[in-house]
Amino acid sequence: AQSVTQLDSHVSVSEGTPVLLRCNYSSSYSPSLFWYVQHPNKGLQLLLKYTSAATLVKGINGFEAEFKKSETSFHLTKPSAHMSDAAEYFCVVFSGGYNKLIFGAGTRLAVHP
Amino acid sequence: EAGVAQSPRYKIIEKRQSVAFWCNPISGHATLYWYQQILGQGPKLLIQFQNNGVVDDSQLPKDRFSAERLKGVDSTLKIQPAKLEDSAVYLCASRRTSGSPGELFFGEGSRLTVL
Repeated sequence: AQSVTQLDSHVSVSEGTPVLLRCNYSSSYSPSLFWYVQHPNKGLQLLLKYTSAATLVKGINGFEAEFKKSETSFHLTKPSAHMSDAAEYFCVVFSGGYNKLIFGAGTRLAVHP
Repeated sequence: EAGVAQSPRYKIIEKRQSVAFWCNPISGHATLYWYQQILGQGPKLLIQFQNNGVVDDSQLPKDRFSAERLKGVDSTLKIQPAKLEDSAVYLCASRRTSGSPGELFFGEGSRLTVL
C-alpha cells in the first residue's frame, strides 16, 4: 500500500525563525515525493520534488526537503520564515507501481510577527 | 502561459439540486484531473483524463457525479443530486505529457456549499 502522513496539522513559528514541516511516507515501490503549498482561496502550487536524483532538494521561496529512505521521511524546511509563508502545505507521494498520487492531510503554517 | 481556469469560483445550492463546474486546462496539457478537497483534508482524486479518455475514475461516486472531456481540452464535472457531504472545493489540475506524474498545475478551485 501507499500512504503519506503529515505529523503536524498546525505549526506556528515567529517570523525569522526556522520552519520544519514533517512528512512520512509508506510505499512498496521507489517513490517520488512532492511538497505543494496552498495559500487561502488559491490553487495548489508545486514547491519542490524528489524523483530519485539528489536526496536534498531545493525548491522555490527558500524551501528545501531531504529524502531519507531509512526513515521514510521527506521533511520540509526553511531557515527563516517570512509572513508570506503562512499557508497550507501538502506532502504528496507517487510511485509507478500504484500509479496514483496520494496527498497528505496538510499542515497549516502560521507565521507570527 | 495562462493557468488552469475554473468556474464558477463559488456556488451555493440546496441538497438534491444539481451543479456543474467547468475547467479549462493549460494549453497543450493532455492530462486533466478533478480533485475534491473537503475542509481540513488533502485533495482526493475523483477522475483523471488523458486527452478525452478516462484513466482513473475509481473514486468517483458514479451514482451522482459525472465528468466529461469531450474534445480533449476543457472538462465539466456535474453533481446530481447534491448531498450535504458534497460541500467541498473542487479542484481541477492539468499536467504536461512530458512532466513528472506529480507535477500538476492547479486552478483556484470551485467552492461548493450544499445547504
